[in-house]
Parts: sequence; structure tokens; C-alpha cells
Amino acid sequence: KAGVTQTPRYLIKTRGQQVTLSCSPISGHRSVSWYQQTPGQGLQFLFEYFSETQRNKGNFPGRFSGRQFSNSRSEMNVSTLELGDSALYLCASSLDAASSRETQYFGPGTRLLVL
Amino acid sequence: SQQGEEDPQALSIQEGENATMNCSYKTSINNLQWYRQNSGRGLVHLILIRSNEREKHSGRLRVTLDTSKKSSSLLITASRAADTASYFCATAPKNTGNQFYFGTGTSLTVIP
Repeated sequence: KAGVTQTPRYLIKTRGQQVTLSCSPISGHRSVSWYQQTPGQGLQFLFEYFSETQRNKGNFPGRFSGRQFSNSRSEMNVSTLELGDSALYLCASSLDAASSRETQYFGPGTRLLVL
Repeated sequence: SQQGEEDPQALSIQEGENATMNCSYKTSINNLQWYRQNSGRGLVHLILIRSNEREKHSGRLRVTLDTSKKSSSLLITASRAADTASYFCATAPKNTGNQFYFGTGTSLTVIP
């Protein structure tokens, strides 16, 4: 099976712009989670989608949003970019994480640089 | 914060030696997972240990879990230069769905 894919891999934006990142989970996986990784804050949970519904949300401002499509592919959007949004954004998929007992498989990440 | 903490933050060993890193967390969990990350790339899943398990092995990896102490350890035996990476523990607290909390990571350097 193909792994989790994320596009684009690298992105440079300027403050105030918005950005959309895409994640394609492993075939058959229905849960998609997003994480932000920065040197200062480490890996922080953004949100999780299951069957097109946001099931969990981390402690991030409303500028961070996401959605999931019927084929389980997911996108996250960051509006009004700030310098502090520069980070590696990781997507992870799992089969069905209702009980949080499933392994999460991560994509290679999208590295976002905000200038 | 429910984020776990790894200890030590950095570890440097000679090839062939064993590497041990520890993870402490704060809440009751369903499971704990260990991941490896090479230089700012994606995370690779290493091993999952459930809350009712005490020890698990996978190749050169040995993971222990002590739920009474809310801690876990990852042992890499006979380390290789290719093991150089950052290692993270991730906990799945009970009653939080699929929300995982990652530790701060241990940076392991294996010197050839």
C-alpha cells in the first residue's frame, strides 16, 4: 500500500497570505490527524477528522481550519499567516481511531516558511 | 499540558552500544507509541504498547511501560549509525478519541 502523501512538500508564503495543505491517507484509513512541529513547541496536535467530521481539535486559533472529503483526503488551511506559523506540518492517518488504539502513520510533512 | 517528556534530551553513544531513552506522561492512557524522526522528516512508527502490556519487543527495540509510574522506556540494542535520529513517545490518553500527545523527543547520535 502507498503511504501517507502530503503536498506540497515545501512552501514559502508571506505574512497575511493564506495557505492550503493537502494530505492523502493510506488507502482504507478513515481517520486523519494534523500536527504542527516547531523547534520551540515540539509536535502539537491541530485536529483530527473522521468520516468528514472534525472529531478532535487542539488548542490553535481559528485561523487554522481543516476539512475531510468523502474519499478521506484532508486539507488544512491557515489564513492570515504569521511568522510563527513557520513549521513542519505533519499529517497522520489511521484505520479507525475511535478508541485511540490504532497506530498512526505519518506523511513526510509540508515545510512552511512564512516571510 | 498533557505533553509527555523524554529524557535525556540528547544522547550520544558509540556504534554497538545500547541506547535507552525514557518517557514520562501525566494522564491515564490507552496506549503509548514510539516514533523515530530523521532530520525534520516524517515520523516513522516503531512500536505500540497498550496500557495492559508491560513489555514489548520488535527486533532490536525493547519497550517497557509502567502505568503506575506513568513512564515508558525505549531500549535500542547494538546501535548502528543509521539509528541516529530523534525519538518521540506519543500517548493516547483515555477519553480523548484519537488525540495523541507527543513528548519533547530525545535526539540520539550514534557515532560510527
